[in-house]
Amino acid sequence: SYELTQPTSVSVSPGQTASITCSGDKLGQKYVSWYQQKAGQSPVLVIYQDSKRPSGIPERFSGSNSGNTATLTISGTQAMDEADYYCQAWDSSIFVVFGGGTKLTVL
Amino acid sequence: EVQLVESGGGLVQPGGSLRLSCAASGFSFSNYWMSWVRRAPGKGLEWVANIKEDGTGKHYVDSVKGRFTISRDNAKNSLFLQMNSLRAEDTAVYYCTRDHSRLVYYFDYWGQGTLVTVSS
Repeated sequence: SYELTQPTSVSVSPGQTASITCSGDKLGQKYVSWYQQKAGQSPVLVIYQDSKRPSGIPERFSGSNSGNTATLTISGTQAMDEADYYCQAWDSSIFVVFGGGTKLTVL
Repeated sequence: EVQLVESGGGLVQPGGSLRLSCAASGFSFSNYWMSWVRRAPGKGLEWVANIKEDGTGKHYVDSVKGRFTISRDNAKNSLFLQMNSLRAEDTAVYYCTRDHSRLVYYFDYWGQGTLVTVSS
């Protein structure tokens, strides 16, 4: 079965750039989405189709996907960005797979 | 405004059954694939099952095949998940999602979730 690997945790200082990676075999050939889940809330889509932002998602959220790694980048990280982040990949062979999630701490 | 409201969660004994419901509003329900996604305590998100717009296509994660059944009633804008032979490892918050399925598959709207606890 297909697996997506994320770091368990990432820490960042307010105002700095946070990068969260998601690794999988030939991941760059699949489409990746990212979800933010704050404590006690439902997940929210923040990036789809590798790098597109849904309406209402701040410009500081961006995404890329190449080779075996997709990356979610949060520029000028704010305290409100502290949350769990999940990558999700899709293609016709694996269908839907989530990464294990990364806890982002804004120190 | 898109709204997804789940109900039906609760405490059930191992081997028991439960039926989850999701009431959808604010969009043309019959035009979208829909899914159930769960998050077990201390664990990450796991896609459970999805269903095609007209209900003719369904997919399940291996761990629930033969035990869970996803269905929908487009006339009532409702999604369901019948869960039988429940196990402790099915304990989780279950989310109803609206799916984007054209060209690329992702979950663009999520409900607030309903908690299922399987314990004796």
